[in-house]
Amino acid sequence: SFELTQPPSVSVSPGQTARITCSGDVLSKKYAYWYRQKSGQAPVLVIYEDTKRPSGIPERFSGSSSGTGVTLTISGAQVEDEADYYCYSSDSSGNHWMFGGGTQLTVL
Amino acid sequence: VQLVESGGGLVQPGGSLRLSCAASRFTFSTYWMTWVRQAPGKGLEWVANIKPDGSEKYYLDSVKGRFTISRDNAKNSLYLQMNSLRAEDTAIYYCGRDLGDYWGQGTLVTVSS
Repeated sequence: SFELTQPPSVSVSPGQTARITCSGDVLSKKYAYWYRQKSGQAPVLVIYEDTKRPSGIPERFSGSSSGTGVTLTISGAQVEDEADYYCYSSDSSGNHWMFGGGTQLTVL
Repeated sequence: VQLVESGGGLVQPGGSLRLSCAASRFTFSTYWMTWVRQAPGKGLEWVANIKPDGSEKYYLDSVKGRFTISRDNAKNSLYLQMNSLRAEDTAIYYCGRDLGDYWGQGTLVTVSS
């Protein structure tokens, strides 16, 4: 089995930069994906393959990777960015997948 | 892209349910498909995925041998047959395309006596 570790919560004021980390040995070999999930809604992909942003996702969302960790950065966080954020990656075989435990982002 | 899950409901421990996911507005037969779930108040959990032609399937250890993922490319549909259900399987089940660029709205499965 493998693990992806995220901080349970991150809090910033509006306009500040929010950084959410995800760590795991597999991340040195496999891509990470980031999802935003607002209360009662389905998840939404915000970053794929560590650093790429899907169309329709604001430019303030970015991703980075270094060694066994990845970081989701929200530059100039807005109140509407409040949500749970999950990282996602596969094991070394690429066949089994796992989410991190999730990070609750508070912007106030 | 549209994904619509159905088939959830209340079932007793040990019972079975079959979830369906109707896909539209994309070429279903060319994509891996995934089931994930979310227990009440908990995080997301990957459950299973299936190759476009159905020839490869992978499962979360805790559901292996009890759940079966399948697909019918002619009907643009994904399925999850769930047997020997346990209380800990209670969750909203979401189907997703490939690496989650699109998800359905989910269907609630409640396992309780």
